[in-house]
Amino acid sequence: QQQVKQSPQSLIVQKGGISIINCAYENTAFDYFPWYQQFPGKGPALLIAIRPDVSEKKEGRFTISFNKSAKQFSLHIMDSQPGDSATYFCAASRGGRTSGSRLTFGEGTQLTVNP
Amino acid sequence: GAVVSQHPSWVICKSGTSVKIECRSLDFQATTMFWYRQFPKQSLMLMATSNEGSKATYEQGVEKDKFLINHASLTLSTLTVTSAHPEDSSFYICSARTLADSYGYTFGSGTRLTVV
Repeated sequence: QQQVKQSPQSLIVQKGGISIINCAYENTAFDYFPWYQQFPGKGPALLIAIRPDVSEKKEGRFTISFNKSAKQFSLHIMDSQPGDSATYFCAASRGGRTSGSRLTFGEGTQLTVNP
Repeated sequence: GAVVSQHPSWVICKSGTSVKIECRSLDFQATTMFWYRQFPKQSLMLMATSNEGSKATYEQGVEKDKFLINHASLTLSTLTVTSAHPEDSSFYICSARTLADSYGYTFGSGTRLTVV
């Protein structure tokens, strides 16, 4: 029940294209769904996050789509750029005032944007 | 925004020695600290969770006597890899959370440990 499944494992897109990464979760108690971007040798950095009370959130070229009934959420990167080449992780957690709430991570997607 | 400073960024040590990794929250109180381990091309694996002033809670399969975690203050947590062996070589990452921000997890920049 704690798993978050992410696909695809790797993704290659052309510059200017749309990158789409999907995640599915099982635990209906999750109420926080962030996406992280990680460059080689660096820690993950928060890209965008969503809570289940909305179905979509957009920040610049990045959009999260959330389907609560299907227990799925996805990251869309519009106008993908070579600088977006990185590993992307979806995650989920139970937030709130429980201090020990941990993030459950997906397996990661290696995105390569060709110039 | 919230910043977690992690040091060192990389370290090479001899087999059998101990290595300490520090994580400091620079502008907020880290009520909870999470320590992860990451192998190449894999996801983050949670090793342990620590709340300030309490003993760390280790995930199943993580040796608490090998990976010592101290979270004595609201701004500092340390991970000590004791009697390191080559199989302990990995990328270690800390993440801090504060009750003031129920949904914020701030990550350190990671430490590349190589045991020779």
